[in-house]
Amino acid sequence: DIQMTQSPSTLSASVGDRVTLTCRASQSIGSWLAWYQQKPGRAPKLLIYKASSLESGVPSRFSGSGSGTEFSLTISSLQPDDFATYYCQRYNSYPWTFGQGTKVEIK
Amino acid sequence: QITLKESGPTLVKPTQTLTLTCTFSGFSLNTTGVGVAWIRQPPGRALEWLALIYWNDDKRYSPSLGSRLTVNKDTSKDQVVLSMTNMDPVDTATYFCAHVQAVAAYFSYWGQGTLVTVSS
Repeated sequence: DIQMTQSPSTLSASVGDRVTLTCRASQSIGSWLAWYQQKPGRAPKLLIYKASSLESGVPSRFSGSGSGTEFSLTISSLQPDDFATYYCQRYNSYPWTFGQGTKVEIK
Repeated sequence: QITLKESGPTLVKPTQTLTLTCTFSGFSLNTTGVGVAWIRQPPGRALEWLALIYWNDDKRYSPSLGSRLTVNKDTSKDQVVLSMTNMDPVDTATYFCAHVQAVAAYFSYWGQGTLVTVSS
């Protein structure tokens, strides 16, 4: 199976910071990658699909980039509502797999 | 408006079979390209994709769970049912169902999730 590795596991940042989260695939997955935000006790929320397409209704401070094996999610100016855990998910082939998550916490 | 909701037991004993139902609205599993997936999340841990069923009854399962999983649909009731046999305490998790499209296999719509605890 293709493994997805996210880094860092935890990121401490302040409101207004620009933050970048990374997701690496163990082999090429093209652009078949999604990013989700999850808050405690809630279902994940889709942010980005096809590596860089912003889901409708998601603030433009979120952006995604990358292809092949290296991907990133950038939050241009961190807002209080953005402190959460973020997951990447590949969907190029079965079994679909998620990364282990990056928790963005308040510094 | 697409909504999904999971239902089933909150507590199962080891070796028992878990049966969860996903009841949805706002779409039909008779529509070409539409599917429903199951994903779980143990407490404090990452998401894990489990299974998927498409409009045409194509079914996919996580290899790591092997033959323990079965997924079926009831289009007349707008429901998808997941069965998992031989439950173990490590299967304690929140189980989610989600809408998926064959041409865009990410999850735009999720149920709220249901916590299943496996304990004697």
